[in-house]
Amino acid sequence: GAVVSQHPSRVICKSGTSVKIECRSLDFQATTMFWYRQFPKQSLMLMATSNEGSKATYEQGVEKDKFLINHASLTLSTLTVTSAHPEDSSFYICSANSNDMYTDTQYFGPGTRLTVL
Amino acid sequence: AQTVTQSQPEMSVQEAETVTLSCTYDTSESDYYLFWYKQPPSRQMILVIRQEAYKQQNATENRFSVNFQKAAKSFSLKISDSQLGDAAMYFCALTYSGAGSYQLTFGKGTKLSVIP
Repeated sequence: GAVVSQHPSRVICKSGTSVKIECRSLDFQATTMFWYRQFPKQSLMLMATSNEGSKATYEQGVEKDKFLINHASLTLSTLTVTSAHPEDSSFYICSANSNDMYTDTQYFGPGTRLTVL
Repeated sequence: AQTVTQSQPEMSVQEAETVTLSCTYDTSESDYYLFWYKQPPSRQMILVIRQEAYKQQNATENRFSVNFQKAAKSFSLKISDSQLGDAAMYFCALTYSGAGSYQLTFGKGTKLSVIP
């Protein structure tokens, strides 16, 4: 149980384009989903917390107009990187808390590697 | 504010041996939860073990166990009978019930190598 998927796993795009990353909880409902960014050999950096049906809460320093988050249902959250630039290249990871199991525990997706040319 | 400190950036262990990864934390909360996550080269974060702070009993999952010392704010992970597949980054993390939907505070991680 507690499986989280992400799509796509890898994406390469041109500078100035937008990219959408999907995060789905496959076998549970998730009230809360989280989006992280991870630089090489570093820990995870929380970007935002999203709750189903409400606006995401962004961490300080994260541009909400650049990183659009939509949490439309209890099983789906999307992160859209708008007008991507090479400095947005990174590994993006989502996670979700389960309504059914330990609500304090985050289960992670496999991540998405974004490369902006 | 919560902090999580992993003082060992890298560790190595011989296959089949036992290794202990250290983690200390600081929080003023009384109701909190501690985790160890594993991130292998695939970069998929995998939950290894979960500990509820109000439980004195140390959590165990097969070859993985923790030594939870609440007064010392220490939460070490012991891996017994190490296997090649245990090679990964290990992150210690903390959350608490007032942490805005259970946001996690992570340590910087410990890279574990397993020597055949």
